[in-house]
Amino acid sequence: DAGITQSPRHKVTETGTPVTLRCHQTENHRYMYWYRQDPGHGLRLIHYSYGVKDTDKGEVSDGYSVSRSKTEDFLLTLESATSSQTSVYFCAISTTPGQRHYEQYFGPGTRLTVT
Amino acid sequence: DAKTTQPPSMDCAEGRAANLPCNHSTISGNEYVYWYRQIHSQGPQYIIHGLKNNETNEMASLIITEDRKSSTLILPHATLRDTAVYYCIVRVATTSGSARQLTFGSGTQLTVLP
Repeated sequence: DAGITQSPRHKVTETGTPVTLRCHQTENHRYMYWYRQDPGHGLRLIHYSYGVKDTDKGEVSDGYSVSRSKTEDFLLTLESATSSQTSVYFCAISTTPGQRHYEQYFGPGTRLTVT
Repeated sequence: DAKTTQPPSMDCAEGRAANLPCNHSTISGNEYVYWYRQIHSQGPQYIIHGLKNNETNEMASLIITEDRKSSTLILPHATLRDTAVYYCIVRVATTSGSARQLTFGSGTQLTVLP
């Protein structure tokens, strides 16, 4: 399972509050990703990281920020949560640095509900 | 990226081979075919990928037609735990991080029946 954990696994929060989700990996992979999954939309990339302090935006980055101060941790922050950010959030890592393939391994997900 | 077409659902008897088709008629020469699956409430799981040759690993086999316009994922002896949504994805291989994002379509809901 590539040693990926996510925390918390479930969270309910109120509109307007900040929320931080954590992705932790134990195998020193360079590339890490945050996706969200919603019915009818499949998985959509929010942000990704290609190294410590190196991050970039994905398809649906508005309202989200990320940080990666250590190789093993990739944090996703919702600065001011909105109901449209209710979703299941998946972290993923890519195990093929320097190669060109899409073997990504996903964490168990965080179910976030914004009320 | 080439678009893929998969049937929305399929059933398979436990112990039998599950053959999941994918049509990618607009695939270009440098695009790979990837298969992932997602068991209910879990993160997607990588299964296999290929370019033009048939591939096999401990989970499945991937058969790509000679013209590369379609492929079939084969689970040789399906079990109840193989019940999941299976996604066929076609992408150009690249070292660029952003281009490594995966775009999942609707996939095929495979139900393995006892």
